[in-house]
Amino acid sequence: NAGVTQTPKFRVLKTGQSMTLLCAQDMNHEYMYWYRQDPGMGLRLIHYSVGEGTTAKGEVPDGYNVSRLKKQNFLLGLESAAPSQTSVYFCASSSDNRGSYNSPLHFGNGTRLTVT
Amino acid sequence: AQSVSQHNHHVILSEAASLELGCNYSYGGTVNLFWYVQYPGQHLQLLLKYFSGDPLVKGIKGFEAEFIKSKFSFNLRKPSVQWSDTAEYFCAVNSNFGNEKLTFGTGTRLTIIP
Repeated sequence: NAGVTQTPKFRVLKTGQSMTLLCAQDMNHEYMYWYRQDPGMGLRLIHYSVGEGTTAKGEVPDGYNVSRLKKQNFLLGLESAAPSQTSVYFCASSSDNRGSYNSPLHFGNGTRLTVT
Repeated sequence: AQSVSQHNHHVILSEAASLELGCNYSYGGTVNLFWYVQYPGQHLQLLLKYFSGDPLVKGIKGFEAEFIKSKFSFNLRKPSVQWSDTAEYFCAVNSNFGNEKLTFGTGTRLTIIP
């Protein structure tokens, strides 16, 4: 049982380049999330999805786009990378239990992105 | 909007010392509270959670947390820490009504000295 898998694990980009981070989960979870983790700032929500075909903005969405074409995948795109987007990116998923919106997040192992 | 404050940025303790990490939140309604732990080089894992009922919640590895509604706090405790508890600890909150998004605190880095 793989859980939440993120690819790639590491990436170095030059300013202005584009890339896509892939998140895949095999737990049939409805909710998926992209966070960025920066020193002293904790985790901040970039975008999230409450189901296949849906996306919504989180706390820091600027400069990122997402797509959820398939339930198991949640893609995070950077169209024109900037040094301020140097960070560790975590994907997470959770189940949609109508009895509780409160199922814990299952996190991937993260992608370390450096933009020079 | 909800927010979470963790005032201890870095805590250094010797093995066997007692631990208490502070977490305060701001939100007017009913909340769910979580502590996540991130061991060096790993992803975040759920340590414990509070939804309702007994305000003293016990989690894995001997950790516990107490929800004090009047103080808007959910402090994490462990009576005797071990070197393997070295990690970063994040408090998180979401509302109990229709808001599925977690808000995380900035984290507390815990270093245990053998």
